[in-house]
Amino acid sequence: AQSVTQLDSQVPVFEEAPVELRCNYSSSVSVYLFWYVQYPNQGLQLLLKYLSGSTLVKGINGFEAEFNKSQTSFHLRKPSVHISDTAEYFCAVSNLTGGFKTIFGAGTRLFVKA
Amino acid sequence: EAGVTQFPSHSVIEKGQTVTLRCDPISGHDNLYWYRRVMGKEIKFLLHFVKESKQDESGMPNNRFLAERTGGTYSTLKVQPAELEDSGVYFCASSSQRPGLHEQYFGPGTRLTVT
Repeated sequence: AQSVTQLDSQVPVFEEAPVELRCNYSSSVSVYLFWYVQYPNQGLQLLLKYLSGSTLVKGINGFEAEFNKSQTSFHLRKPSVHISDTAEYFCAVSNLTGGFKTIFGAGTRLFVKA
Repeated sequence: EAGVTQFPSHSVIEKGQTVTLRCDPISGHDNLYWYRRVMGKEIKFLLHFVKESKQDESGMPNNRFLAERTGGTYSTLKVQPAELEDSGVYFCASSSQRPGLHEQYFGPGTRLTVT
């Protein structure tokens, strides 16, 4: 079985500051890793994904994440945030076999202040 | 290319009533998933269709929930009778069966409120 822990439920940050949203996962098998974003009143949008290869993954809107197998982490980072990045962010894992169902973390609300 | 669509966007019903949610996946996507997010909690998997067959329904909460995907195109999720704890946002996602294309595309969700 897999599980995902997002260590911060809310992260307030000032505009143009860097941000890191933390994610740890647990799995007995290899998984794919994802970060999704949900803007207010919208659906889930894929930010980035790690399937294999380079452990540093770049996504849309200037976000990147680093897969750390030894620490079972997949933290999301952005060097300079904008007001428009205010949203809820979800870390997720998907197994490589058996249907690829996705297990989500509880979400982290990012508030970017002017 | 049209994305995953869900209908309705919002539904408010009384306890004991029936509600049917609909999901139209991306054309050609054989995989269709239902997820639910209850207020303040994580998004949880409900079930997975491959074409018209249920591949995994381990996340369905109880027998008040019935999902169908006749013909392998759109899917419906019926809740009958609805209870207060069924309130939440129901997401649908679809993906291709083609090897290497595992990204799930999510719809905007249906917000269900049971009063």
